[in-house]
Amino acid sequence: NAGVTQTPKFRVLKTGQSMTLLCAQDMNHEYMYWYRQDPGMGLRLIHYSVGEGTTAKGEVPDGYNVSRLKKQNFLLGLESAAPSQTSVYFCASSYYAYNEQFFGPGTRLTVL
Amino acid sequence: QKEVEQDPGPLSVPEGAIVSLNCTYSNSAFQYFMWYRQYSRKGPELLMYTYSSGNKEDGRFTAQVDKSSKYISLFIRDSQPSDSATYLCAMSGNTGNQFYFGTGTSLTVIP
Repeated sequence: NAGVTQTPKFRVLKTGQSMTLLCAQDMNHEYMYWYRQDPGMGLRLIHYSVGEGTTAKGEVPDGYNVSRLKKQNFLLGLESAAPSQTSVYFCASSYYAYNEQFFGPGTRLTVL
Repeated sequence: QKEVEQDPGPLSVPEGAIVSLNCTYSNSAFQYFMWYRQYSRKGPELLMYTYSSGNKEDGRFTAQVDKSSKYISLFIRDSQPSDSATYLCAMSGNTGNQFYFGTGTSLTVIP
């Protein structure tokens, strides 16, 4: 089992560019999450999904969109990147809302 | 008021010391309590998972939950340099779709 994988691992964007981060899990989990982690801020939830075809907003959703067309994949999109979106992005998944979450290795994004 | 409060540290201890990491929380509905370990430039990995109040031990690690005080702790015995990492507490309730994470405590174990 690969667990939770994320692509790409690193990316540098210019302000205004767009990109999509891909998260994949092979554990048949229903719940998937996107977080950003910034120094001193901890993990902040961007969007989450409770099953295929569903998405919901988290704590910091502005500037991001998500899609969950397949149960195993959860995509995070930045339509017009801003320097404030420079961060490390983590994807996670879990069986239920209250179960432990399994994290991917992260994507380091820099927006210039 | 934040849902979960965690002292960010940093905490520096000599090898072999007992380490105590703590979190407090405000929501009495929390039932599930976790500790994650995050090495530099890696994703968080689950270290301990407990349900409701009580203690749980796994090797050198002990997790304690005191729901009456809304306080959870992680103890590391005989700390090793390989324990140097950031430790995040996390918790959730029976309903709802959100986990709440602490901001993490940075630990360095000096050989």
